[in-house]
Amino acid sequence: TQLLEQSPQFLSIQEGENLTVYCNSSSVFSSLQWYRQEPGEGPVLLVTVVTGGEVKKLKRLTFQFGDARKDSSLHITAAQPGDTGLYLCAGGGYTGGFKTIFGAGTRLFVKA
Amino acid sequence: SAVISQKPSRDICQRGTSLTIQCQVDSQVTMMFWYRQQPGQSLTLIATANQGSEATYESGFVIDKFPISRPNLTFSTLTVSNMSPEDSSIYLCSVPMGQGARETQYFGPGTRLLVL
Repeated sequence: TQLLEQSPQFLSIQEGENLTVYCNSSSVFSSLQWYRQEPGEGPVLLVTVVTGGEVKKLKRLTFQFGDARKDSSLHITAAQPGDTGLYLCAGGGYTGGFKTIFGAGTRLFVKA
Repeated sequence: SAVISQKPSRDICQRGTSLTIQCQVDSQVTMMFWYRQQPGQSLTLIATANQGSEATYESGFVIDKFPISRPNLTFSTLTVSNMSPEDSSIYLCSVPMGQGARETQYFGPGTRLLVL
């Protein structure tokens, strides 16, 4: 059974601080996605990474896929209250093969 | 990407009743997924709905409790039957887009269900 372990589960920080969220597995994934979900909304796709070692940047967010495609990280620089939400990593995605596996999520709260 | 809408956005129901949730996509898709997200939890896949065939349910979910319809390539419904307070969750539909390793899922806004 493929599992994605996400850490930390909860993070409360001050505005302006940096943070990193980790997503780890013993399995190899063909791709990994990061989603952000706000209360009352569905998850919104932030990024998809498919190549081992790939780094993608989205404004203050930096996403990295591990060389072995077993892990990923999300780094936020100078967090803002608008970054508050639930961050989910998800691995896989081949509907012809295995299903998408979701991590447990990291609930981030950024205080002004 | 895809634009996905769900109805209702939220509901409060009495135990023992049933609720049907609708999911509408702005493009034709072969597969649609239904997820449950219990309070403070991640997403759990309920079933995969293919147009023209029976839905495929995940372990722990059965058709009698969560019947699904998929009448065409842009629409699906999920019914939560004989509800109990344990069914209080957010129910989400999603569709896969893209090909191969770049395939990702796009989600509807969810239906927030509270069972009293």
